[in-house]
Amino acid sequence: AQKITQTQPGMFVQEKEAVTLDCTYDTSDPSYGLFWYKQPSSGEMIFLIYQGSYDQQNATEGRYSLNFQKARKSANLVISASQLGDSAMYFCAMWREYNFNKFYFGSGTKLNVKP
Amino acid sequence: DVKVTQSSRYLVKRTGEKVFLECVQDMDHENMFWYRQDPGLGLRLIYFSYDVKMKEKGDIPEGYSVSREKKERFSLILESASTNQTSMYLCASTPGASGVESQFFGPGTRLTVL
Repeated sequence: AQKITQTQPGMFVQEKEAVTLDCTYDTSDPSYGLFWYKQPSSGEMIFLIYQGSYDQQNATEGRYSLNFQKARKSANLVISASQLGDSAMYFCAMWREYNFNKFYFGSGTKLNVKP
Repeated sequence: DVKVTQSSRYLVKRTGEKVFLECVQDMDHENMFWYRQDPGLGLRLIYFSYDVKMKEKGDIPEGYSVSREKKERFSLILESASTNQTSMYLCASTPGASGVESQFFGPGTRLTVL
């Protein structure tokens, strides 16, 4: 079965420091993608970053980077220079190419940024 | 600006009522999805649709049905609401079967069943 695991239910980080949110996945498909979403307290899901299984380089989007270790099946999100507005729930998700674009979500990590 | 809208942000219903949650997207997307979100469980797929009048069960379809009569609209129906269906419901869409695109999400409907 396809599965996404986020082992950190909650985390604290000091403002301006970097933080890593863990995500491991389980699939035997050759072609898949990994996403990270942010969900503020208002509830909307915001797309942050994407990594394809065939991508050679780690994805980066501004202060977000994805540490993709294919052999370990991990796709950790790194947020550099944390800001108070980064306080939110963060979800890791996996997409499989051969299954109607279904997405599989982890249970989420609640990040709190302290001033 | 692309958009996925949901008919209500908050909804309170009584046990046994029939409940309709509506989702509309203006991006001409092929695929639409309904999730429920519960603390500690993340998002779980209820149903999805890859075309008008086409639907597939997700991981937790029991107690729910869906309808997609028009491409832009995907409705989630609770035939007889129960208290264990109190949850946040999120609708999402993606362009189509080719390539990979992030899902676009609606703002969510927080449903309380009393």
